[in-house]
Amino acid sequence: EPEVTQTPSHQVTQMGQEVILRCVPISNHLYFYWYRQILGQKVEFLVSFYNNEISEKSEIFDDQFSVERPDGSNFTLKIRSTKLEDSAMYFCASSPDLEETQYFGPGTRLLVL
Amino acid sequence: RKEVEQDPGPFNVPEGATVAFNCTYSNSASQSFFWYRQDCRKEPKLLMSVYSSGNEDGRFTAQLNRASQYISLLIRDSKLSDSATYLCVVSGRGFQKLVFGTGTRLLVSP
Repeated sequence: EPEVTQTPSHQVTQMGQEVILRCVPISNHLYFYWYRQILGQKVEFLVSFYNNEISEKSEIFDDQFSVERPDGSNFTLKIRSTKLEDSAMYFCASSPDLEETQYFGPGTRLLVL
Repeated sequence: RKEVEQDPGPFNVPEGATVAFNCTYSNSASQSFFWYRQDCRKEPKLLMSVYSSGNEDGRFTAQLNRASQYISLLIRDSKLSDSATYLCVVSGRGFQKLVFGTGTRLLVSP
């Protein structure tokens, strides 16, 4: 069964550093998403992406965040200057079409020191 | 008011028990409703979609009451493997941004 994959599984970084989290969505999917989950808290929507554009973003997704689909397979989330409060699990998701089920990747656990 | 509200639990039940979880949502414009399951430190996985007519998948039954903005999940004949956190999830029209509840933790014991 096709799966969403994410790399790395864990990332430790220093405050102020840039990080890039990578995702490979399911191959025939058209809609891509990033969510995050701070330890012990709920899963929160960050951004959705379709046709090489951001479709919707949350208040969390400020100027420090950006997303890109640099080629036909990868979907990346960049955090330019990490803060301590960016420490969380980041999940990528994809869906084949609007109103279709979103499938989540295994997540990247980011720790900012 | 939280967008999606759930009792965090934990619900401790013996194997074979029936357990029910409830969830309320605040946005009356919500269009789609789901239950996801999340194991510790893992990604959310879709358990089932929820329809106004109610739907069943094996031991799992989900119900939606739009008038009361209330969603439920019933698990019959609980298994040890059902131990997880159950996430109530809603979405609106458009690009289906998912809004998650904090989850209800279920522990099934032998």
